[in-house]
Amino acid sequence: DAGVTQSPTHLIKTRGQQVTLRCSPKSGHDTVSWYQQALGQGPQFIFQYYEEEERQRGNFPDRFSGHQFPNYSSELNVNALLLGDSALYLCASIYDRGLGEQYFGPGTRLTVT
Amino acid sequence: GQNIDQPTEMTATEGAIVQINCTYQTSGFNGLFWYQQHAGEAPTFLSYNVLDGLEEKGRFSSFLSRSKGYSYLLLKELQMKDSASYLCAVVLSGGYQKVTFGTGTKLQVIP
Repeated sequence: DAGVTQSPTHLIKTRGQQVTLRCSPKSGHDTVSWYQQALGQGPQFIFQYYEEEERQRGNFPDRFSGHQFPNYSSELNVNALLLGDSALYLCASIYDRGLGEQYFGPGTRLTVT
Repeated sequence: GQNIDQPTEMTATEGAIVQINCTYQTSGFNGLFWYQQHAGEAPTFLSYNVLDGLEEKGRFSSFLSRSKGYSYLLLKELQMKDSASYLCAVVLSGGYQKVTFGTGTKLQVIP
């Protein structure tokens, strides 16, 4: 049973650049959420995708955008990177009509210099 | 706003029992997650409570009281590998649209 996968594992970018992170949900899951986790903090909800649409959004600027594909995989795009965007970016998936068990991928560690 | 409180750090002895508390004040409630997170790794799902009461899963149990805005995670027969951060997270009303996390409790298990 394939779990949630994310790529790349690590990424280093320069201020002002753009980045795209990728996520494939757990087999059988159709909903993907993205989180940002700063060091020593809990994950912060960015947004959630279901049926290829953004269903809900947290308190993140429009520089953060996403997409979900017909195979349920998802991308997170961040434009005009700031130093403060350095964090662990986590993707989580659930089955919308399931029991609510949300599983996380291994994350992408983004460093902005 | 949403408020989820957990102790910042706890220390317990190998073989003992430890209880990690979580209190929440949120605009709506659909359920509560507990996750384990080792340093540098992604959170691992432990439990999801929707109804009041205790749910047991091996050495880990989770309790929820919706009326009191309170949950706890109970870890029995502690092992050194249980040293990790434990995250409490609330699913807000409206389904799975938003999950709000606490800052986590860092548990250190000592010999």
